[in-house]
Amino acid sequence: NAGVTQTPKFQVLKTGQSMTLQCAQDMNHNSMYWYRQDPGMGLRLIYYSASEGTTDKGEVPNGYNVSRLNKREFSLRLESAAPSQTSVYFCASSEHGGETQYFGPGTRLLVL
Amino acid sequence: EDKVVQSPLSLVVHEGDTVTLNCSYEVTNFRSLLWYKQEKKAPTFLFMLTSSGIEKKSGRLSSILDKKELFSILNITATQTGDSAVYLCAANNNDMRFGAGTRLTVKP
Repeated sequence: NAGVTQTPKFQVLKTGQSMTLQCAQDMNHNSMYWYRQDPGMGLRLIYYSASEGTTDKGEVPNGYNVSRLNKREFSLRLESAAPSQTSVYFCASSEHGGETQYFGPGTRLLVL
Repeated sequence: EDKVVQSPLSLVVHEGDTVTLNCSYEVTNFRSLLWYKQEKKAPTFLFMLTSSGIEKKSGRLSSILDKKELFSILNITATQTGDSAVYLCAANNNDMRFGAGTRLTVKP
């Protein structure tokens, strides 16, 4: 039982490049989330998926897209990376919305 | 606008001290208040509070919620160096709004 896994662990991009961050959970959770964490800002919600087939914007969705591929997987895509998107990205899941969230180990992204 | 404010932003204590961390919130459709501990990597769950006035305890940690005054506190008694971490609170409506965290440093 791996919990929440994220790939890659670390990535360097040039401005304008695109990439997809992958997240998977094996806890049969319905809800999944993507956050970014910047120094002094806490965790900010980018997008979430309350259940398979649905996605909704969070606090800071601009510049990102998401796909809830199936119940297990929730990916985050940066179409044209910008230096302001340099951050640590966490994926999380919960059995249902409004319940305890379990976090993945994070992806550290550097955009030059 | 929904917001969650934690105080203090950082705190340095010595082993054996008792600390109280504060979290105030203003969110629409509030459902619950969660506390997490974050050391080097991902946050790990500590408590979820949904009812006012009912203390939750886990070892030396305890937490309580006041839904009338819109705040929660996290207490840690007899602190140890292993308690050094960033403590995050989050107010849950349909998504989750986190505070900036309190960085606790416990010195030997």
